[in-house]
Amino acid sequence: AQSVTQPDIHITVSEGASLELRCNYSYGATPYLFWYVQSPGQGLQLLLKYFSGDTLVQGIKGFEAEFKRSQSSFNLRKPSVHWSDAAEYFCAVGAGDDKIIFGKGTRLHILP
Amino acid sequence: DTAVSQTPKYLVTQMGNDKSIKCEQNLGHDTMYWYKQDSKKFLKIMFSYNNKELIINETVPNRFSPKSPDKAHLNLHINSLELGDSAVYFCASSQVEASPLHFGNGTRLTVT
Repeated sequence: AQSVTQPDIHITVSEGASLELRCNYSYGATPYLFWYVQSPGQGLQLLLKYFSGDTLVQGIKGFEAEFKRSQSSFNLRKPSVHWSDAAEYFCAVGAGDDKIIFGKGTRLHILP
Repeated sequence: DTAVSQTPKYLVTQMGNDKSIKCEQNLGHDTMYWYKQDSKKFLKIMFSYNNKELIINETVPNRFSPKSPDKAHLNLHINSLELGDSAVYFCASSQVEASPLHFGNGTRLTVT
């Protein structure tokens, strides 16, 4: 069965600094991979997805993620964070059986 | 124009009561889901319906019963509510297998 690990529960960065949120997955074949963002009191919004092809995917709000099969990772990056990026970020994996499994989330805090 | 809408947004009720949460999507998607998010933000899939047919039923107490009158609607009925049912319940929809999920804004259920 597939699983997702987000090793960092909280991450704090200064506004304008770069960001990397880690995600590792466990699945026997090539998974479908997603990053979602959840602002307080809101549902989850898709930032980006990887299905196949180019391993560096671009998403909304200036985010990108890189699929590294050898490391079973799909880390999320942003070169310069804004205060409005403070939120909960979820990595998720899908395995073609209509079941998408979510990691436990990383809460991003932004220092002014 | 809301893509996935769920009602109510907040639900406060006493133990032992029965309550329902409604969800509707206007995206024309074939698959709908219910996820439960606990106080630690962990998102766990509960049910998935494809074109009105139940396809995923995780280990959820049988007090929880989903109903899909048509492929645009997926309601969740909960009998004999318990304190541990307190959580945020998210409805979501997707086109086909493992395609990105579109989430509603959640229903915060508080059982007292």
